[in-house]
Amino acid sequence: DTEVTQTPKHLVMGMTNKKSLKCEQHMGHRAMYWYKQKAKKPPELMFVYSYEKLSINESVPSRFSPECPNSSLLNLHLHALQPEDSALYLCASSQDPSGGARELFFGEGSRLTVL
Amino acid sequence: GQNIDQPTEMTATEGAIVQINCTYQTSGFNGLFWYQQHAGEAPTFLSYNVLDGLEEKGRFSSFLSRSKGYSYLLLKELQMKDSASYLCAPETDSWGKLQFGAGTQVVVTP
Repeated sequence: DTEVTQTPKHLVMGMTNKKSLKCEQHMGHRAMYWYKQKAKKPPELMFVYSYEKLSINESVPSRFSPECPNSSLLNLHLHALQPEDSALYLCASSQDPSGGARELFFGEGSRLTVL
Repeated sequence: GQNIDQPTEMTATEGAIVQINCTYQTSGFNGLFWYQQHAGEAPTFLSYNVLDGLEEKGRFSSFLSRSKGYSYLLLKELQMKDSASYLCAPETDSWGKLQFGAGTQVVVTP
């Protein structure tokens, strides 16, 4: 299994809603990432989890709240979002945070629309 | 700050060779990744260079010069399916922190 699975694939939410994006991998990877990608732009790093601990937060607004319940799962909780937060949210994982294989495996993304 | 430059678009015919250049100035540098992204799909890993020199992997090769802050991705024997965006991504000042360039859209014509 070399997949990173993200759900839902599409999400439409209002500015007062609370929703969550989910990401799962069963490759035994110990680092997981959230990226945000706007149309025709490159992915922008939001968060990195290493061994289930948050290691990088790229000054992301608190209306985005990541959670890593275990080594296979990564969530992104969304609350009080703005229309400009509409984007493709990509989850990725890599094998070894301690300096080994760094290849990132990306999921297909969750396309979020905030009304 | 971070600065990553790569051409916006390149066009080539099937069977040809295309070289995508990337120059970077980053606060810290561990290595450089190249990713391919088809429209509407997730990026997929192509290569990772940490030492100077050329890494060859089938039709794709990647080169790195750390002292010059320069890399290129060489695509040989182009196929229609190679039409995609190619993203240069230095790993910057901490582990796992990739900074993606804006991407080079490669268009392969018959």
